[in-house]
Amino acid sequence: QVQLQESGPGLVKPSQTLSLTCTVSGGSISSGSYYWSWIRQPAGKGLEWIGRIYTSGSTNYNPSLKSRVTISVDTSKNQFSLKLSSVTAADTAVYYCAREELELRPRWFDPWGQGTLVTVSS
Amino acid sequence: QSVLTQPPSVSGAPGQRVTISCTGSSSNIGAGYDVHWYQQLPGTAPKLLIYGNSNRPSGVPDRFSGSKSGTSASLAITGLQAEDEADYYCQSYDSSLSGQGHVFGTGTKVTVL
Repeated sequence: QVQLQESGPGLVKPSQTLSLTCTVSGGSISSGSYYWSWIRQPAGKGLEWIGRIYTSGSTNYNPSLKSRVTISVDTSKNQFSLKLSSVTAADTAVYYCAREELELRPRWFDPWGQGTLVTVSS
Repeated sequence: QSVLTQPPSVSGAPGQRVTISCTGSSSNIGAGYDVHWYQQLPGTAPKLLIYGNSNRPSGVPDRFSGSKSGTSASLAITGLQAEDEADYYCQSYDSSLSGQGHVFGTGTKVTVL
């Protein structure tokens, strides 16, 4: 059973870069059958898809965040990562990583990591 | 920011039936993209509840059902139970001139009276 776990600093200063890692256990990130996504949720608000990566390194990003987001994958560590630059208080949120099946049609997210809270503050 | 609209809240007594709507447009649900539903209990990550418009993952009670028509979708909970009190989100895919990607609904809080 595949499990995902987010990790990274819980506090980031404004204008700096937020960096998070998602570690995949119970399966190989290189299986080739999945996309790996980042999703965030500000406190008391809804979910926002940030972007996804395939093991080849191919990425897709939310158009509203595209200029600030970079998602990368490290197959040797069974991890994928998120970098969000020039953060502001509006980027304060719980960040989740999740898996999506690779198919011709966009699919759902399952499973999800437990989430990690990132606060942007000086 | 969300392109899928849900009612902020719905409520019902134990045993009753409640429905949650998810309204989109011609660039997402109306374009033929599937709708999926998630249940989020307080302080936890979202959990897949319905996939591919109307399919339940293993372990999800058959009290939960989903449907899709035109530019909208619905989640129904029959025989409402106290443990169903949670936030519910729909999810689909959007493709428009401004770009494409996964989109979520605004979320609905279900309260069991």
